[in-house]
Amino acid sequence: DAGVIQSPRHEVTEMGQEVTLRCKPISGHNSLFWYRQTMMRGLELLIYFNNNVPIDDSGMPEDRFSAKMPNASFSTLKIQPSEPRDSAVYFCASTSTGFTEAFFGQGTRLTVV
Amino acid sequence: QKEVEQNSGPLSVPEGAIASLNCTYSDRGSQSFFWYRQYSGKSPELIMFIYSNGDKEDGRFTAQLNKASQYVSLLIRDSQPSDSATYLCAVNMAKGAGNNRKLIWGLGTSLAVNP
Repeated sequence: DAGVIQSPRHEVTEMGQEVTLRCKPISGHNSLFWYRQTMMRGLELLIYFNNNVPIDDSGMPEDRFSAKMPNASFSTLKIQPSEPRDSAVYFCASTSTGFTEAFFGQGTRLTVV
Repeated sequence: QKEVEQNSGPLSVPEGAIASLNCTYSDRGSQSFFWYRQYSGKSPELIMFIYSNGDKEDGRFTAQLNKASQYVSLLIRDSQPSDSATYLCAVNMAKGAGNNRKLIWGLGTSLAVNP
């Protein structure tokens, strides 16, 4: 298996634009997590899905952020409109059970100018 | 008090020495504890997890858990320059109502192993 695959690896966009981040979890994993990492706040859980259903989205900063998981092999995180303070590295991770080892993708480095 | 606290470092040790990384947590009911390593510009990767009080050893790594004192530590024996990275502590703790649990992360400790 190729592991968790995220795209794009880097994204530079202008303030106000829509940004869509994509994630393909490891086949057979039934939990998927979206994280945001910054120097100041570290790793923050934005939302997690279990069996494609959003279980906890309390970490989503505001209505500008939305996430979907239409099937077991694909998830998106959308920011609309983007703001400079959204600049961070966004990680997707998947696991086969609730809270044992989570396997991370390589991350998407988002820069909003 | 932060939910999961780590000394940000940097912690600097000479090659071959023992590196000791510490983590404290606020929720006494926390059940499982994880140590991840993150190289600069890379994603976190799991080193060890521990559920029970005491020590758990895996090669050069030992995780130590003391639930009464609410701390978990990671010892790295015979430290190598390739161990230089940020080490993240993560704790599975209850959040909010019901049985909702989350993995809460510390900000990480930067370790530098000097040749």
